[in-house]
Amino acid sequence: DAGVIQSPRHEVTEMGQEVTLRCKPISGHDYLFWYRQTMMRGLELLIYFNNNVPIDDSGMPEDRFSAKMPNASFSTLKIQPSEPRDSAVYFCASSLTVNTEAFFGQGTRLTVV
Amino acid sequence: LAKTTQPISMDSYEGQEVNITCSHNNIATNDYITWYQQFPSQGPRFIIQGYKTKVTNEVASLFIPADRKSSTLSLPRVSLSDTAVYYCLVEQYNNNDMRFGAGTRLTVKP
Repeated sequence: DAGVIQSPRHEVTEMGQEVTLRCKPISGHDYLFWYRQTMMRGLELLIYFNNNVPIDDSGMPEDRFSAKMPNASFSTLKIQPSEPRDSAVYFCASSLTVNTEAFFGQGTRLTVV
Repeated sequence: LAKTTQPISMDSYEGQEVNITCSHNNIATNDYITWYQQFPSQGPRFIIQGYKTKVTNEVASLFIPADRKSSTLSLPRVSLSDTAVYYCLVEQYNNNDMRFGAGTRLTVKP
């Protein structure tokens, strides 16, 4: 397996634009996580899914953020409208089952200007 | 969720053994202890997981005392490439709510 695949690797957008980040988890993994990392706030858990169902989205900062998992092999994190304070590295991760090793993607570096 | 406390940073030299301790005073009976490593510009990578006593793999050892209120990650004979941030997590049994703390920034010097 190629691991967790995220796209794009880098995204630069203007304030107010919609941004969509994509993630392909490892095949067969039941759990998918979205994280955001900044120098100030560290690595924050935004939301995680189990078998395509959102389990905990308490980390989603506000209504501008939304995440979906339409099937077992694809998830999106959308920010609409984007703001400069959303600039961060966004990671997607997946794990086979509960309390097992999570595998992280390479991340998407988002810059909102 | 049990809160974890780690040193913000540590320095070491090549070839030395490094021990990073994590405090988790309110760990619950069934919680697991997991450590991740993160290099710059990469996502975290799993190192080791344990419940009690000692766990060892090809990369590290994890020591957990009987009261489980702390744990120590031991890296034998570190090299420059071990320079990274190391995170300690306490995971609830049967709950995949994986939240990272601030981590420990380890710098290995030649």
